[in-house]
Order: sequence, then C-alpha cells, then structure tokens
Amino acid sequence: DGGITQSPKYLFRKEGQNVTLSCEQNLNHDAMYWYRQDPGQGLRLIYYSQIVNDFQKGDIAEGYSVSREKKESFPLTVTSAQKNPTAFYLCASSGGGQGPPGTYEQYFGPGTRLTVT
Amino acid sequence: AQSVTQLDSQVPVFEEAPVELRCNYSSSVSVYLFWYVQYPNQGLQLLLKYLSGSTLVKGINGFEAEFNKSQTSFHLRKPSVHISDTAEYFCAVSDRTYKYIFGTGTRLKVLA
Repeated sequence: DGGITQSPKYLFRKEGQNVTLSCEQNLNHDAMYWYRQDPGQGLRLIYYSQIVNDFQKGDIAEGYSVSREKKESFPLTVTSAQKNPTAFYLCASSGGGQGPPGTYEQYFGPGTRLTVT
Repeated sequence: AQSVTQLDSQVPVFEEAPVELRCNYSSSVSVYLFWYVQYPNQGLQLLLKYLSGSTLVKGINGFEAEFNKSQTSFHLRKPSVHISDTAEYFCAVSDRTYKYIFGTGTRLKVLA
C-alpha cells in the first residue's frame, strides 16, 4: 500500500535534547512538507522540499532543521533552540504528476506527538 | 501574501441537520482551494478541491463547496450531517507554488 509513515507516534524528550522525527513516503511524490499543529492555530509550515537535496524554510523554521537526501525520506530535527517544541507534528507529500505546482492534494502521515519536559 | 480565515472555531449541529463551514481567503493572485478533514490524533485527508471550472465542487462523504471569487470565499456544506462527521475541518489555499496555507480549523460537533 502506498502512503506516508511517521515514527514514532509518541515521543518524549527532556529539555535541551535534540530529537529527530521520521517521515517516509512511497508515493513517488516530489514535494514533502513538515507542519506543526497546536490547538487553535491550525497547521503552520516548518519546512518544505520540492526536490531531493533542496528545501525551503516555512513560516516557523527557527529551531528546526531538515534534510532531503532521498526522494522517499524527509526527517525533521527539533533542536534545543526551539523554545516550545511540545506539539503535534505532521508530515505530508504531494506531486508526482504532470500538473503545475499547487494543484495537487497533500497526503498526510498519522503524525508524531512530541512532548518535551 | 496569502491568508485563510476560518471564522468559526467550533460549530455544533444536530444530526441530520445541514451545516456550512465558512472559509475566506485573501490573495493577490489566482489560487487553488482545498478542504481537508482531520479525525482525532490522525493526519488530514482531502475532502475536495477547486482548481478551475465549475464553481460548485463535490467531494467525498456528501460534502460540497462553492467557490465565490467576488467574495473570496470557499464555504463547505453538507445537507445532512451524521455523528461520524464529527471532526476538525481545514481550508487551505495554494498560490500556484509548492506552498500551501491552512486556516486555523473549524471543529464540527454533531449532536444526537
């Protein structure tokens, strides 16, 4: 079955530690995204990548880093510089066809709930 | 810059009643519009999208939305809701780049 997987579902870390969230897709999509979801704030874009070895900052990139070494994978590292990292993190992918950018639906993973204490 | 406004954070409605979830956007260029649904502790899934053509778009689970360019709106409607429609609904817009902007969401609570 094609889809996006995120692991783990729940993650607990101590303040000051870096943590990496996994995101893998087998949909052959070109673009991948990371969003942060907080109650009442909707989805806010952290980073996105249009193609392998290239990525752009979203609206709230400070304290986060990403890599895109393979088409299928787009891991997100939450660094100790992120002041309020506790949140629900969603990974998404889109594309893979001939249409112009922005016309594709995004496929979302099940999310990772990160708690930092 | 684009923005998406979902004015209603919560909408309670009785089962089998109609519902409308409102979405307004602002953009200096033409946009593509999407509605997604999120069930608790899950990712989002697409309900419907508007790219061009007919302004009335039909989606899954009996939902439909109407694109109104003059009012910059893309409201979501369902003529008769079920308990299973209880979820959070997000409107999103793309300005024809790879970037999508989401609204803050509307929690639909269907009451028995």
